[in-house]
Amino acid sequence: SQQGEEDPQALSIQEGENATMNCSYKTSINNLQWYRQNSGRGLVHLILIRSNEREKHSGRLRVTLDTSKKSSSLLITASRAADTASYFCATIGYSTLTFGKGTMLLVSP
Amino acid sequence: GAVVSQHPSWVICKSGTSVKIECRSLDFQATTMFWYRQFPKQSLMLMATSNEGSKATYEQGVEKDKFLINHASLTLSTLTVTSAHPEDSSFYICSARFRRGHEQYFGPGTRLTVT
Repeated sequence: SQQGEEDPQALSIQEGENATMNCSYKTSINNLQWYRQNSGRGLVHLILIRSNEREKHSGRLRVTLDTSKKSSSLLITASRAADTASYFCATIGYSTLTFGKGTMLLVSP
Repeated sequence: GAVVSQHPSWVICKSGTSVKIECRSLDFQATTMFWYRQFPKQSLMLMATSNEGSKATYEQGVEKDKFLINHASLTLSTLTVTSAHPEDSSFYICSARFRRGHEQYFGPGTRLTVT
């Protein structure tokens, strides 16, 4: 299975702090994507990092990719209460996305 | 980004009945649509992939006779849960893609509760 594994499973921080989530996967990838899901809602695509990239930024998001370790991290800086959600990494197989188990992030005001 | 809608947002039905969930791409033509199922506090699990005009490809362990998928047009795919049982209660999410290599856009999900 190419399913990613995120850690931690859940994370609680205060507003203004940084949040780091990690994802590990099992097989070779072309790219890795991170998604956010608010409770009971659909997924929002956050960022895509290609296998030949090591780091990518988008606003307060910073994603790293280490293909030798088959791992990726998502850093959210200066977190806000609105960042409270579940975060999933996903890898693309032949043409389908495989999601990790997700990290639940709670940002308290 | 592109918009994908689902209808209904939530549905409660009795055991033994069938429920149809619609997934529409509102501002682009989706050659491929995907159906996922998500149980509480769990990840999304791909159920099937449907390409417009052809039969859906189901993932291992997903009963094709129970979860009927129709992708009759480039903007609409439907998932019908036949003879629903309480264990089918879940959050069903669709996504749509213009073509391979392009981003998938996700619908808001449909919560199904079977009583």
